[in-house]
Amino acid sequence: DSGVTQTPKHLITATGQRVTLRCSPRSGDLSVYWYQQSLDQGLQFLIHYYNGEERAKGNILERFSAQQFPDLHSELNLSSLELGDSALYFCASSSGAEDEQYFGPGTRLTVT
Amino acid sequence: GESVGLHLPTLSVQEGDNSIINCAYSNSASDYFIWYKQESGKGPQFIIDIRSNMDKRQGQRVTVLLNKTVKHLSLQIAATQPGDSAVYFCAENMGTGFQKLVFGTGTRLLVSP
Repeated sequence: DSGVTQTPKHLITATGQRVTLRCSPRSGDLSVYWYQQSLDQGLQFLIHYYNGEERAKGNILERFSAQQFPDLHSELNLSSLELGDSALYFCASSSGAEDEQYFGPGTRLTVT
Repeated sequence: GESVGLHLPTLSVQEGDNSIINCAYSNSASDYFIWYKQESGKGPQFIIDIRSNMDKRQGQRVTVLLNKTVKHLSLQIAATQPGDSAVYFCAENMGTGFQKLVFGTGTRLLVSP
């Protein structure tokens, strides 16, 4: 157990809908990262927050957004969902901005 | 559930053999590299890392080798065990002052008892 929690474990929704994925980092970790893992694109970095502020963006679509709250938990919002958004979404946390990342168990999103 | 694609390169070994998993990275300026292990239905798990000022680093039963000349990284697992069966990813850090990891496509390791 990495100490990173993600909810929900599974999510099934329809195209065009909006969902929110939640991540609680390990106790004391200030950095939260979001990744998407799909069959055709592999594991891709989406976005990184450090202590509430966005630090880096990767291949994140404009339909996706994230935030990190004062209690350091983070949410990833996915809107106008398409079939191709079906994937595993992982959150990782680290103590600083350059430290080892610990991954959560992921949220499996299925868009039908 | 399965966490990665169906067309990963696969390395099949017998229990007790040594395994070598290879990875080519893309950016000659990358200064930090990590190997992750991902078991079915779980998130990636850190195994070992190496900075670009080193060419070899050893952990418990694992060794990472870095060849910057040809942008190649390898993970050696000694005395491979069935519990080592998983998908292994290399990652290179593209960020400066923060981590922006780019992952390789992964290699599936199958260990037969």
